[in-house]
Amino acid sequence: ELKVEQNPLFLSMQEGKNYTIYCNYSTTSDRLYWYRQDPGKSLESLFVLLSNGAVKQEGRLMASLDTKARLSTLHITAAVHDLSATYFCAVDDNNNDMRFGAGTRLTVKP
Amino acid sequence: DGGITQSPKYLFRKEGQNVTLSCEQNLNHDAMYWYRQDPGQGLRLIYYSQIVNDFQKGDIAEGYSVSREKKESFPLTVTSAQKNPTAFYLCASSTRLGTAVRSPLHFGNGTRLTVT
Repeated sequence: ELKVEQNPLFLSMQEGKNYTIYCNYSTTSDRLYWYRQDPGKSLESLFVLLSNGAVKQEGRLMASLDTKARLSTLHITAAVHDLSATYFCAVDDNNNDMRFGAGTRLTVKP
Repeated sequence: DGGITQSPKYLFRKEGQNVTLSCEQNLNHDAMYWYRQDPGQGLRLIYYSQIVNDFQKGDIAEGYSVSREKKESFPLTVTSAQKNPTAFYLCASSTRLGTAVRSPLHFGNGTRLTVT
């Protein structure tokens, strides 16, 4: 059974700092997704990573995928308050399911 | 605008009652999903459907039922057999980007169900 683990689960950052969220998964997959969820709201798609070595960037967020290590990272550069949210990674298990990590709750403080 | 509509946004029910959550999409997506989210936790798959008139159980299907009579609609019934039904329920849909790659899930705004 595919397991997806994120760490850290809680992250408190100062504005302007950099940090990385990690997403490890247990079985072979080359399709990984990152989502953002604001409190009380639904999830929105941030990145789709479809091959080993894939890197996607949007603003202060950059996501990468290493399928050999079964690891994806979400790097935050020079954090701002607007990035405060919960970030989920999800892995396509090739069996019509998309398994989610537990989420990383990010708080960016002034 | 295309999207997924879930209704109602908030739902309150007494224990022992069945309740149906609505999910409609106009994205022309083949696949639809129901997830449950408990406070501070990730998403757990309840049911999914890849095609009309077919659906599969997810990890936590017990106490839930679904139907897929139309491509656009995938309602979820929370039955009295579900032991802890209070949660945030999210409906999603997806399509295929290529022959095997799924698009990111498009989510509805969710239904917050409270059972007392």
